[in-house]
Amino acid sequence: EAQVTQNPRYLITVTGKKLTVTCSQNMNHEYMSWYRQDPGLGLRQIYYSMNVEVTDKGDVPEGYKVSRKEKRNFPLILESPSPNQTSLYFCASSLFYSTEAFFGQGTRLTVV
Amino acid sequence: QKEVEQNSGPLSVPEGAIASLNCTYSDRGSQSFFWYRQYSGKSPELIMFIYSNGDKEDGRFTAQLNKASQYVSLLIRDSQPSDSATYLCAVRTADKLIFGTGTRLQVFP
Repeated sequence: EAQVTQNPRYLITVTGKKLTVTCSQNMNHEYMSWYRQDPGLGLRQIYYSMNVEVTDKGDVPEGYKVSRKEKRNFPLILESPSPNQTSLYFCASSLFYSTEAFFGQGTRLTVV
Repeated sequence: QKEVEQNSGPLSVPEGAIASLNCTYSDRGSQSFFWYRQYSGKSPELIMFIYSNGDKEDGRFTAQLNKASQYVSLLIRDSQPSDSATYLCAVRTADKLIFGTGTRLQVFP
């Protein structure tokens, strides 16, 4: 089944403790991205990747890192999480940057 | 001005009616336009995409694009209670997909 898989689905952590949210797609898509969704602000792009080893900042990249060593995986790294990073996170992939995006199930992150 | 604007709603329509959802965008160079449906706490799922001016129909859904006026709309015919969700408009610019904040649709029996 074609899908985008994120893990974990739910995560509660403490301020400053490094964490990684994994994202994997099995559709051989070139373009992958991370979004956060907050009430009243909608979906905002954090980082995106046009292809392997090519990543770039989105609208809200501060406090996040990403890597794209393989085509299928695009992990999101929070080196030192803070409470303002409490949010619902979505990974998405598309065949090319111009085509429709398919979303993972979401990761609800709480930083206390 | 926000890059992609939608009325937050809620838009309430009776079952069987036509629901009309609208979206405006600011970047005249935008090339592709998408409508996503999102149930509370779930991930967005694609309903339709449209690239050219005019109408595009898929079942009960019709997307309309007017690049000169910079708006895109979604019509849902024969609305059902299961259509109750938040509808997100998304616009593809040169290198990113920009989302509106969504319109909440409520279809009542």
